[in-house]
Order: sequence, then structure tokens, then C-alpha cells
Amino acid sequence: KAGVTQTPRYLIKTRGQQVTLSCSPISGHRSVSWYQQTPGQGLQFLFEYFSETQRNKGNFPGRFSGRQFSNSRSEMNVSTLELGDSALYLCASSKRQGDSPLHFGNGTRLTVT
Amino acid sequence: GEDVEQSLFLSVREGDSSVINCTYTDSSSTYLYWYKQEPGAGLQLLTYIFSNMDMKQDQRLTVLLNKKDKHLSLRIADTQTGDSAIYFCAARDSNYQLIWGAGTKLIIKP
Repeated sequence: KAGVTQTPRYLIKTRGQQVTLSCSPISGHRSVSWYQQTPGQGLQFLFEYFSETQRNKGNFPGRFSGRQFSNSRSEMNVSTLELGDSALYLCASSKRQGDSPLHFGNGTRLTVT
Repeated sequence: GEDVEQSLFLSVREGDSSVINCTYTDSSSTYLYWYKQEPGAGLQLLTYIFSNMDMKQDQRLTVLLNKKDKHLSLRIADTQTGDSAIYFCAARDSNYQLIWGAGTKLIIKP
């Protein structure tokens, strides 16, 4: 069974630009969560989607948004990039919302210059 | 709200056992998880334990849960160089939100 796939693996963007990251969950998994990981802040929860609806949201500004499609694939978008948005963005899928363990992709490394 | 704490570093000799500790604050936590992150990679689910269990063993990994003290540990027997990584503890709180520890970097000495 294929794992969680995130594309692209690496991205370099300039301040003020916007970026879209993609995540394909494990087949049969309907919940997708996004995390930001930085050396200083650790793992920070961005949002969770289930059945195309955002179910939970972390404490991030409105520049961070996401969506989930009917095939459970998900995208996250960051607009008006800032230097502090440089991070590893991790997507995780689970069978259902709630108590299922998360399975992570290898992440997208975003560098903002 | 729930808080999860871990030591930042652990150094062990190759062949010894590693014990990584984690404490949490929400006594109604349901599931507790251990993840491993190698450089440049995502988080790999190692094992998890439900709160009504005391222990779970899976090959070289043993998870111990002390609910009274809200203490979780991960023991890795016969630690190898490939075990070098950051280990994250996470707890599901009563609202099913996942709360993460800061991660413990396991350093293996030859």
C-alpha cells in the first residue's frame, strides 16, 4: 500500500509570493492533517480535513488555508509568504477522524527568501 | 489543556537499551503514540497504546504506561546506529486533539 505522498519535496519562494502544497493520503484514509515543523517551534498543527470539511484549525493566520477534494487528496496554500514561513510542512492521513493514528508523508521543505 | 513533555536529548551506547520518557497532563488521554523522525524525513509511527493498557511490546520496542503518574516510556532494546533519530511522544486529549512533545534526540555512541 502506498504511503502518504507530498509534492513537491522542496520549494524555494520569495517573500510576498504564494505557494500551494499537495498531499495524497493513503488509500482508504479520509482524514488529512497538516503540520508545520520548525526547529524553534517544533510541530505545530495547522488544520484537519475530513470528508472535504475543515474539522479543526490551529492557531495560524488566515494566510494559511487548505482544502480537501472528494478523493481525499488535500492541498494547502500559503499566501503573501513571509521569511518565518520557512519550514517543513507535513501532511498526515488517518482512516477516520478522532482516535486513528496519523501516518505522515516525508514533507515539503519550503524556503522563503 | 493537555501538555506533553520530553527530555530533549538521550545518549546511549550501541547495544544498550534506550529508554525515552514522556509525561502528559490530561488524565483522560485516550491514545498515546510514539513516532520516529530521521533527518530529512517525515514522522514514522512506531507504536501506540490505549489508555487501558499498561504495556505493549513489539519486537525491540516496549511501551510502558503509568496512568497514575501520567508517564509513558519507550524502551528500545539492543540499540543500533539506525535508531539514531528524534522520537516524538503524542497524546490524544479528551477532545481527540493530538498534543505533541518537543521530541527527544537519541544519540548513539559507538
